[in-house]
Amino acid sequence: NAGVMQNPRHLVRRRGQEARLRCSPMKGHSHVYWYRQLPEEGLKFMVYLQKENIIDESGMPKERFSAEFPKEGPSILRIQQVVRGDSAAYFCASSRGQGGQPQHFGDGTRLSIL
Amino acid sequence: DQQVKQNSPSLSVQEGRISILNCDYTNSMFDYFLWYKKYPAEGPTFLISISSIKDKNEDGRFTVFLNKSAKHLSLHIVPSQPGDSAVYFCAADLFGNEKLTFGTGTRLTIIP
Repeated sequence: NAGVMQNPRHLVRRRGQEARLRCSPMKGHSHVYWYRQLPEEGLKFMVYLQKENIIDESGMPKERFSAEFPKEGPSILRIQQVVRGDSAAYFCASSRGQGGQPQHFGDGTRLSIL
Repeated sequence: DQQVKQNSPSLSVQEGRISILNCDYTNSMFDYFLWYKKYPAEGPTFLISISSIKDKNEDGRFTVFLNKSAKHLSLHIVPSQPGDSAVYFCAADLFGNEKLTFGTGTRLTIIP
């Protein structure tokens, strides 16, 4: 499968725990994006990364959320001390980043906070 | 501030007829527009895009029209098929910005 791979597909955490969401981009893509979808809403941009660089994190909450895309391995979205309001579907996308190229999405991680 | 709006939450169309999904935007700086289709429990699938230098782009059964003066785009699907039943999202970007702004989606149901 050469598509964008996200894992886990479903993640359950208790309030106060940490959540780690992983994303491997499509083959040949070096740009990764994270979006969040709340129920009955559209996707909201969170962060845009290239290898070892955060390009745009204007959509990230100021506290508890962080993202990385290391030289080796998948991109990680990390949420510390989760709260009920973090329950959402988190989607990762990738592209060649050449402008005018569509972003291709993974199937998302559904995060539920107990 | 909802910069991309899809004012119809749902749409039902008879199989074989034309489906027209609409999208309005407020930010005149947007110059790249995309349509995605989404099935439940899956990620959005890219359908078709258009840049602001064009007013029409066609790919098989899918055609996107862009009216820059009205800040409006539409997706035409013809003929509509049962497998087209899904939620459709329009998205907009500034060329090279790589930060998509999505509408809230329109649920399309194709009636056999």
